[in-house]
Order: sequence, then structure tokens, then C-alpha cells
Amino acid sequence: QKEVEQDPGPLSVPEGAIVSLNCTYSNSAFQYFMWYRQYSRKGPELLMYTYSSGNKEDGRFTAQVDKSSKYISLFIRDSQPSDSATYLCAMSPIDNYGQNFVFGPGTRLSVLP
Amino acid sequence: DVKVTQSSRYLVKRTGEKVFLECVQDMDHENMFWYRQDPGLGLRLIYFSYDVKMKEKGDIPEGYSVSREKKERFSLILESASTNQTSMYLCASSRTNSGNTIYFGEGSWLTVV
Repeated sequence: QKEVEQDPGPLSVPEGAIVSLNCTYSNSAFQYFMWYRQYSRKGPELLMYTYSSGNKEDGRFTAQVDKSSKYISLFIRDSQPSDSATYLCAMSPIDNYGQNFVFGPGTRLSVLP
Repeated sequence: DVKVTQSSRYLVKRTGEKVFLECVQDMDHENMFWYRQDPGLGLRLIYFSYDVKMKEKGDIPEGYSVSREKKERFSLILESASTNQTSMYLCASSRTNSGNTIYFGEGSWLTVV
């Protein structure tokens, strides 16, 4: 079993839709959870990060962590064509000495006008 | 804002050439990383450094070396480039024990012919 699993997509939705992107993980030591957005031929850009369980909202984006189920989600409300990108989840344990970031393979999202 | 700058965005090199990829970060982060990203394989860690002159091998160090002479600068060296090193290379940095965030540069696209 891979340490982090993520549906690779591609996922196509119409403009204005609510998008749900998800990752599951197996390592219960993970405490920090991140979402990155990566446009084509660019580096990943940090979108949101959360610590432990709970929700965090930033504009149209909501990150949700359920540690009991080892499941994290990113919701995008009122999706826009500019949201078309690959979304990577990432996580790390609390005692992170640099080498313990683990990334999902990414989900490719297309928002159609 | 954290800024990680990769000096070369697009390079074309010949097989056997020595290649240098340079990366600079401006946030006084202790940790710096080099990843490569390939379709279907996700992000793979080549090397990381947790301090000046210190380095640790990642998952795929073969064929690569690194240099960190100053805290803000981390270089990736391909001693003798091969076609299977054609890839997108991403530099990143993070603060020790922050656990929550790693910041990426824009990426360097290397083609070896």
C-alpha cells in the first residue's frame, strides 16, 4: 500500500461546480497536511495547510482533515477555469527533520467554461 | 512571501555534459531539497540538505550530487547527463521542525539529447 493515495483524475467539471479532491494515507504519525496547486510547467504553489484534524477555509477553498479515517479533502466552491491545474496533497509528521514530506501523485482538474 | 528561485527554467544539454542547476531561497530556511517530477511517477526526492555543507540522499540520488556552501543556495549537479535524466527538477525549502510547509521554486525543465 502506498503511503498516500490520490485519485489521479483527470477530473472535468463545469464552471461554478463544487469540486472535491481527496487523499487517503496510512501513516498515523502525519500531523501536518498541505494542498498544492500546480499549473502546467510550473512549480507547486502552496494553497492551504492544516494541523491535525478539522477544517480550514480560505475564500473559495476549504481543507478538511479527518485523522480518524486518515482522509483529507480539498473543496473548491464556485470553480473557475483558472482553477484548472494539478492538485497535490502533502503531509508530514510533527517531528519533521526535513526529509519526511510525503506527496500524493496529484489530481488533474479541468474546469470547463 | 517565501521565494525560491531556480536560475534556469529551460535547458537543453548533450549526453555526457556536466549540468549545474542552481537554487536560492530568501527565507533563511534550514532545509533545502531537490526533487524531480515525471508523469505518472510524481515527486521523487533526489537529495536534501538540513544545513550548510550537510546533505542526505533521497530516494533517487544515483547520477546526481549536490552542493550547499551557503545557507541560501543549493545546487544540483549532474556529473554526466544522460537521456533518462530528462525531467522537470524542482528545488524547495522549509524551516526545521515547522512541519507544515515546504515551498517550491518554478522548476527547471532539463532535456538531455
